[in-house]
Amino acid sequence: GAGVSQSPRYKVAKRGQDVALRCDPISGHVSLFWYQQALGQGPEFLTYFQNEAQLDKSGLPSDRFFAERPEGSVSTLKIQRTQQEDSAVYLCASSTGVFAPEAFFGQGTRLTVV
Amino acid sequence: QKEVEQDPGPLSVPEGAIVSLNCTYSNSAFQYFMWYRQYSRKGPELLMYTYSSGNKEDGRFTAQVDKSSKYISLFIRDSQPSDSATYLCAMSGSAGGTSYGKLTFGQGTILTVHP
Repeated sequence: GAGVSQSPRYKVAKRGQDVALRCDPISGHVSLFWYQQALGQGPEFLTYFQNEAQLDKSGLPSDRFFAERPEGSVSTLKIQRTQQEDSAVYLCASSTGVFAPEAFFGQGTRLTVV
Repeated sequence: QKEVEQDPGPLSVPEGAIVSLNCTYSNSAFQYFMWYRQYSRKGPELLMYTYSSGNKEDGRFTAQVDKSSKYISLFIRDSQPSDSATYLCAMSGSAGGTSYGKLTFGQGTILTVHP
């Protein structure tokens, strides 16, 4: 596709449930980022992939959060044993090179934990 | 204190007004300065970016960076109702470092342009 695609757009999870959020970056983009955006706040960095290598996971809030990009294209963010504080919009972004200032964002997955 | 501070507003202006949006930051390593626009329930969309200090103009939008003051601005001329959105400033470090394009965002300013 022409842009970054995320699915599902909306996810309601019961507390304690595991969820998986998918990101399809722009074809050929080397860099892939995950961000978390709480209501009324700016996005906050979670993790970064360069191709299939996860080079930075310093923003993951706990060991319940796990991300992968096994073939260097599609990425999945998994949250285990969801908690109410995990409710947020999860944004995926991709960019062309190892360093490129232009990052293109998907529409996000809105996760609500009840 | 956050690395990037941005007044959340909200800011309400009449159509045709000049809008000024600002951010301050504390990390001297930031070299790239971006402005994103985010419509409700959409992802952020890059408006423009500037490397280091200076001005950059694109149509009705002008971005300014003053690294000595750690202050960046976005000006919107002849504002339109379609400009109503949340505006996010974002910053990243230099290519020579380990920033690889990781963005640090401000909180976002909610702008409404009314007809």
